[in-house]
Amino acid sequence: GQQVMQIPQYQHVQEGEDFTTYCNSSTTLSNIQWYKQRPGGHPVFLIQLVKSGEVKKQKRLTFQFGEAKKNSSLHITATQTTDVGTYFCAAGPRGGAQKLVFGQGTRLTINP
Amino acid sequence: GAVVSQHPSWVICKSGTSVKIECRSLDFQATTMFWYRQFPKQSLMLMATSNEGSKATYEQGVEKDKFLINHASLTLSTLTVTSAHPEDSSFYICSARNFLGNSPLHFGNGTRLTVT
Repeated sequence: GQQVMQIPQYQHVQEGEDFTTYCNSSTTLSNIQWYKQRPGGHPVFLIQLVKSGEVKKQKRLTFQFGEAKKNSSLHITATQTTDVGTYFCAAGPRGGAQKLVFGQGTRLTINP
Repeated sequence: GAVVSQHPSWVICKSGTSVKIECRSLDFQATTMFWYRQFPKQSLMLMATSNEGSKATYEQGVEKDKFLINHASLTLSTLTVTSAHPEDSSFYICSARNFLGNSPLHFGNGTRLTVT
């Protein structure tokens, strides 16, 4: 079935350093979504990418969708302690199926 | 924005008992809801897709007789963990979309189930 690989599994940075998490699929995706889950909380939607090569920014967060629509990345510039949490990519496969397949998540911890 | 309410937030039950978890879409109608399970420090695993007015669609490896799903109205889906065992202890989260297609999922706050 559809699988989405996400790396790294964990990332620990000093506050102010940058952070990137990557998401890869062996098949072409119709779209990719990113979610953030704070410790003890539930996933919260961040953004959706649909177009090949799309780049979207939310303040210090930059999201990219690959040209082949098989990979995506989330980059955080100058991390802050509020960025702590687990970031998940979630892929919507082609064919219009409604369910999303989540990556393994990248757990970000920050040393203040 | 779209809100999904899940109840209870946490529950402790004894082995062999059943537990019902409710998921409500508060300001929109959801013909489809999704139930996920999450073990500590792991990803969300889709258990089943709950369809209003019809049978749920279960993912491979999920026992439909153990995890009963009922989606009786456009705003309510329930997950009942029957004859719970300690290995069923987990974080259960429901989600729904307020639009069709690939629009974002709105998650409930989750239910932490502990079976003793």
